[in-house]
Amino acid sequence: GAVVSQHPSWVICKSGTSVKIECRSLDFQATTMFWYRQFPKQSLMLMATSNEGSKATYEQGVEKDKFLINHASLTLSTLTVTSAHPEDSSFYICSARMGRGYNEQFFGPGTRLTVL
Amino acid sequence: AQKITQTQPGMFVQEKEAVTLDCTYDTSDPSYGLFWYKQPSSGEMIFLIYQGSYDQQNATEGRYSLNFQKARKSANLVISASQLGDSAMYFCAMRGNHAGNMLTFGGGTRLMVKP
Repeated sequence: GAVVSQHPSWVICKSGTSVKIECRSLDFQATTMFWYRQFPKQSLMLMATSNEGSKATYEQGVEKDKFLINHASLTLSTLTVTSAHPEDSSFYICSARMGRGYNEQFFGPGTRLTVL
Repeated sequence: AQKITQTQPGMFVQEKEAVTLDCTYDTSDPSYGLFWYKQPSSGEMIFLIYQGSYDQQNATEGRYSLNFQKARKSANLVISASQLGDSAMYFCAMRGNHAGNMLTFGGGTRLMVKP
């Protein structure tokens, strides 16, 4: 099956710093990528949807200026958590889809962010 | 709006037995897709099975089968011959044909397989 990678797999940063998480589709072109956030023992919550070459669509309640999403190419999307605070500590998961006509979304392995 | 409900926060099953994980959904879309994912402790989301709303037959993938009852809006996952490696979180998800086509996830069920 298609493979999606995320980097880094885990990161610890100081409060106030910015952290960038990369999501790559390794063997297919992803027209759409999704970013999810998952708190411990909870479900995945969609943060935003990004289409290659256009601005991301954020879900209600997600701060656009805090969670910057860039989908510059068909194989790469980045999520930057700006001025991170301890409450931003979470598990961030990206997923990618080839196109609207495809059913399956392929998920990355996730990135665990801890903000001290 | 779409809503997915998984009413079982946790379940135990004896190894080699079958287990059913419940999932009900609500949507106004006439066409939609239903998914099940497995999330082990490592965190990765593993796709298990897919059912389209217009599919006539219930989906099956190896030991996984989906008991799709459209009128009742339920899409239960059946795992046959449980294995210790099946212990994980299981999420039911739905995708409609509205703008964005994003997945909406249920709250998840933690399955624990006893030896």
